[in-house]
Amino acid sequence: DIQMTQSPSTLSASVGDRVTITCRASQSISSWLAWYQQKPGKAPKLLIYKASSLESGVPSRFSGSGSGTEFTLTISSLQPDDFATYYCQQSWTFGQGTKVEIK
Amino acid sequence: QVTLRESGPALVKPTQTLTLTCTFSGFSLSTSGMCVSWIRQPPGKALEWLARIDWDDDKYYSTSLKTRLTISKDTSKNQVVLTMTNMDPVDTATYYCARIHPRLYDSSGYYYDYWGQGTLVTVSS
Repeated sequence: DIQMTQSPSTLSASVGDRVTITCRASQSISSWLAWYQQKPGKAPKLLIYKASSLESGVPSRFSGSGSGTEFTLTISSLQPDDFATYYCQQSWTFGQGTKVEIK
Repeated sequence: QVTLRESGPALVKPTQTLTLTCTFSGFSLSTSGMCVSWIRQPPGKALEWLARIDWDDDKYYSTSLKTRLTISKDTSKNQVVLTMTNMDPVDTATYYCARIHPRLYDSSGYYYDYWGQGTLVTVSS
């Protein structure tokens, strides 16, 4: 099975910061990667699919890049609503999550 | 408007069988390319995919849980049912159902665009 490894596990940042989260696959997955945002007590929300496609209604400050085994999610200017946990996903495998905390 | 809602017992005893129902609206599981998955999340932990059922009744299961899971659908009722046998305290989690739309699916991968709110299942005697 393909393993997905996210880094860092926790990230402390301030409003306005540029934030980057990395997801590495144990083998090449082409561009078949998604990113989700999850807030406490809520279901995950799809942000990015096919590595770089922005889901409808998601703010443009979110962007994704990468292919093969290394992918990144970037938040260009962190907003108060963005403090949450972020997961990458390749079909049936999720990363372990990255919690974005207030610095 | 697409919605999914999970229902089932909040508490089950060890060794019992869990049955969860996902009732959805706003789409049909008869549509080519449409799929529904079950995903769980233990408290404070990551998401874990469990099973998927497709519009053509193809079914897929987590390798580690395959012997304990059964997924089925009732297209006329807009429901997907998951059963998990021999429940254990480590199975305590929030269980979600989620939709895969044809635009987010092909043979190389798939993604979830709509999720239910989740249902917390606690396994305890």
